[in-house]
Amino acid sequence: NAGVTQTPKFRILKIGQSMTLQCAQDMNHNYMYWYRQDPGMGLKLIYYSVGAGITDKGEVPNGYNVSRSTTEDFPLRLELAAPSQTSVYFCASSSSRSGGTDTQYFGPGTRLTVL
Amino acid sequence: GQQVMQIPQYQHVQEGEDFTTYCNSSTTLSNIQWYKQRPGGHPVFLIQLVKSGEVKKQKRLTFQFGEAKKNSSLHITATQTTDVGTYFCARLSGGYSTLTFGKGTMLLVSP
Repeated sequence: NAGVTQTPKFRILKIGQSMTLQCAQDMNHNYMYWYRQDPGMGLKLIYYSVGAGITDKGEVPNGYNVSRSTTEDFPLRLELAAPSQTSVYFCASSSSRSGGTDTQYFGPGTRLTVL
Repeated sequence: GQQVMQIPQYQHVQEGEDFTTYCNSSTTLSNIQWYKQRPGGHPVFLIQLVKSGEVKKQKRLTFQFGEAKKNSSLHITATQTTDVGTYFCARLSGGYSTLTFGKGTMLLVSP
């Protein structure tokens, strides 16, 4: 199993550009998550999904959108990039029906810089 | 959301010294999870604690859950350079669907 994969690893965007961060998992997990990590600030939840077709906002959803058309994929969309979105983005997945009570498996991350 | 506070934010020890990080909540926790993130890496699950007063060990790492289920600790005995990284605790939130992470304790170990 590859686990959780993310692409790209690095990206530089100009203000106002858009992009999609890709995330895929091959563990047949129901729950998937997007976090951002700023230096010294821990992980903040952007969006999460409890299954295909179901998504919900986390703590910091503004400026982002998600979709979950399949169990495997959970892309994160930035429509109008802003410098405040410069961060490291992690995708994660977990298997339990109560996702928060189960181990979360993280992808390697995407380091995004907005200039 | 309901936060968990981690202390200290940062600790620098000599190899062989012990290290402890604490995770505190103002409200009762259903469970607590601990993760480790190496520099430049991604968080990796270490352990989950569920029961009041629970103590679990993984080699040199000892995890405790407080009797009142409002705090937890991670203790590393005789640190090694491989222990370098940031240690996060995380609590249940979002109706058991999600986790809220603390800000982490960064550990630096000098040889």
